[in-house]
Amino acid sequence: DADVTQTPRNRITKTGKRIMLECSQTKGHDRMYWYRQDPGLGLRLIYYSFDVKDINKGEISDGYSVSRQAQAKFSLSLESAIPNQTALYFCATSDLDREGDNEQFFGPGTRLTVL
Amino acid sequence: SQQGEEDPQALSIQEGENATMNCSYKTSINNLQWYRQNSGRGLVHLILIRSNEREKHSGRLRVTLDTSKKSSSLLITASRAADTASYFCATDRSNFGNEKLTFGTGTRLTIIP
Repeated sequence: DADVTQTPRNRITKTGKRIMLECSQTKGHDRMYWYRQDPGLGLRLIYYSFDVKDINKGEISDGYSVSRQAQAKFSLSLESAIPNQTALYFCATSDLDREGDNEQFFGPGTRLTVL
Repeated sequence: SQQGEEDPQALSIQEGENATMNCSYKTSINNLQWYRQNSGRGLVHLILIRSNEREKHSGRLRVTLDTSKKSSSLLITASRAADTASYFCATDRSNFGNEKLTFGTGTRLTIIP
């Protein structure tokens, strides 16, 4: 079974609709992240959470909100979707090892299309 | 803004040749990481090099880091068709892993059988 799962994998919606993307992990990591990927722009960080009570904005948080329901779950919401939020969305997790290294583990992605 | 910029943006080579990708960044870092992404899939961590390291190997991968030039290179030796993917560098600017990673824009590598 995959360590980081995302649902749904694909979603087509209309402008103005509320959308929630969900992420679950079985790695036991405290840190979770939401990124979006657009062609030619690499990954950009939307929100991140270092533990259940910690939520931080990334570089492109406008138009998005998140909820960390438990250590294993981190949801991303688009309150009123707009076409330029069409993108590939990734959830990732990480933890610090004893040497302070923080490699991230990614989910399979959610392809979101806003019409 | 992107901390890391990969060069070239795209690279095509024959199977069996070596592939080299470069990453430049702007600020001091704690570590630099390389990730691979197969088309439309999640990123997979390949290798991490710390700021006090100059070279690191993992299988067919060799990573170098030059902090004076703020640059890193990823070498894949004896390339295979399965190496076809996009490769991203990511920088960690924290001292204790408290900072998030900043990803570059990626190099798209195509291995021609």
